[in-house]
Amino acid sequence: DQQVKQNSPSLSVQEGRISILNCDYTNSMFDYFLWYKKYPAEGPTFLISISSIKDKNEDGRFTVFLNKSAKHLSLHIVPSQPGDSAVYFCAASSSGATNKLIFGTGTLLAVQP
Amino acid sequence: DAGITQSPRHKVTETGTPVTLRCHQTENHRYMYWYRQDPGHGLRLIHYSYGVKDTDKGEVSDGYSVSRSKTEDFLLTLESATSSQTSVYFCAIKGRNTGELFFGEGSRLTVL
Repeated sequence: DQQVKQNSPSLSVQEGRISILNCDYTNSMFDYFLWYKKYPAEGPTFLISISSIKDKNEDGRFTVFLNKSAKHLSLHIVPSQPGDSAVYFCAASSSGATNKLIFGTGTLLAVQP
Repeated sequence: DAGITQSPRHKVTETGTPVTLRCHQTENHRYMYWYRQDPGHGLRLIHYSYGVKDTDKGEVSDGYSVSRSKTEDFLLTLESATSSQTSVYFCAIKGRNTGELFFGEGSRLTVL
């Protein structure tokens, strides 16, 4: 049973436009959410996180939105750049199991010049 | 740089042979993790450790064992490798003050 779902395997956007990556979760105990970025042949790197006490967190071009009632989070990248082309994973954990991060299946973002 | 080194980075082996992957960290972090990455499955937790000799199972622990005899080393062992264990394996450590994980560069294992 996939507790964290990324239903779009891939996304293609034009440089300068907004990229929106989506993530849904089923476990209502999750209260901390993260996004990771992964380039080929490298390990995932942390991008941005959000606690369930917030509904938005912003860091430069990256903003994560959390809708707890819908069990949905999204990552907005504005403006998108070719260097943003990578696989993006969302991940979640609960305060009862802070040491376990559960990841989604990933979305491959391609930013076209 | 989180100071994580995985070895070997690439390995090809045959079905039924034992394989050990090593994760080495230089920053004395308590928590260490092994994940595998597969197309369509994302990153799945195999085992993790919360201290020397303290380990616990993750989502996909069958066929894998781990050991941690020193803080800096976390070993993942496939006692008898199968083709379904062909994957990219990532080691990670947990940041001291946050819930973030920092990943190594991965070990690509092919079981023929």
